Amino acid sequence: AQKVTQAQTEISVVEKEDVTLDCVYETRDTTYYLFWYKQPPSGELVFLIRRNSFDEQNEISGRYSWNFQKSTSSFNFTITASQVVDSAVYFCALSEPSGGSYIPTFGRGTSLIVHP
Amino acid sequence: NAGVTQTPKFQVLKTGQSMTLQCAQDMNHEYMSWYRQDPGMGLRLIHYSVGAGITDQGEVPNGYNVSRSTTEDFPLRLLSAAPSQTSVYFCASSYSLAGVGSGGTDTQYFGPGTRLTVL
Repeated sequence: AQKVTQAQTEISVVEKEDVTLDCVYETRDTTYYLFWYKQPPSGELVFLIRRNSFDEQNEISGRYSWNFQKSTSSFNFTITASQVVDSAVYFCALSEPSGGSYIPTFGRGTSLIVHP
Repeated sequence: NAGVTQTPKFQVLKTGQSMTLQCAQDMNHEYMSWYRQDPGMGLRLIHYSVGAGITDQGEVPNGYNVSRSTTEDFPLRLLSAAPSQTSVYFCASSYSLAGVGSGGTDTQYFGPGTRLTVL
């Protein structure tokens, strides 16, 4: 079973629409970390956010916001007023303290296409 | 700062050949990692290092070796290349191991990637 599920393979929106990328994770640990990364068409990877399991506060950074809900094991990512430059593949990842190391497990990614 | 640099950007190998992917960072980060990315997949951790002289295996270490003789450099060696190692390789560094450490604002920086094809 996947530890990180990004059920949306591809999302297509028109510029200025709000869009939410879903991430559902599975872990038995009480201490863990969740991440979001962005990979634009150019291929580089950009780290967006890290959240630890003890901090359920929602995070907002400009047009980006993250909703962490332990009750539903979800860490969703919302882009408000999407722009063409937001077109990218977005990865959610989970890091658990397996054997003392925190080897990350990545979801398969959600491809976001923002049309002008 | 140059950030995280990787060389080469592209490489084609024949099965059985060996090579080293170079990774360097100038941010004095203790933590460095190597990931591979295959089509339609997320990243998978190959090896990581928590400081000079200390390395450990990730999820998919077979066929790869690493060493960390300096804080700046973290080369990845393919011992005998196989077609299954065709992938895009990313090196990353951070002040703390992304996922642990006290730095709540710690950011993980990635290199531009190396696209490797093994024929």
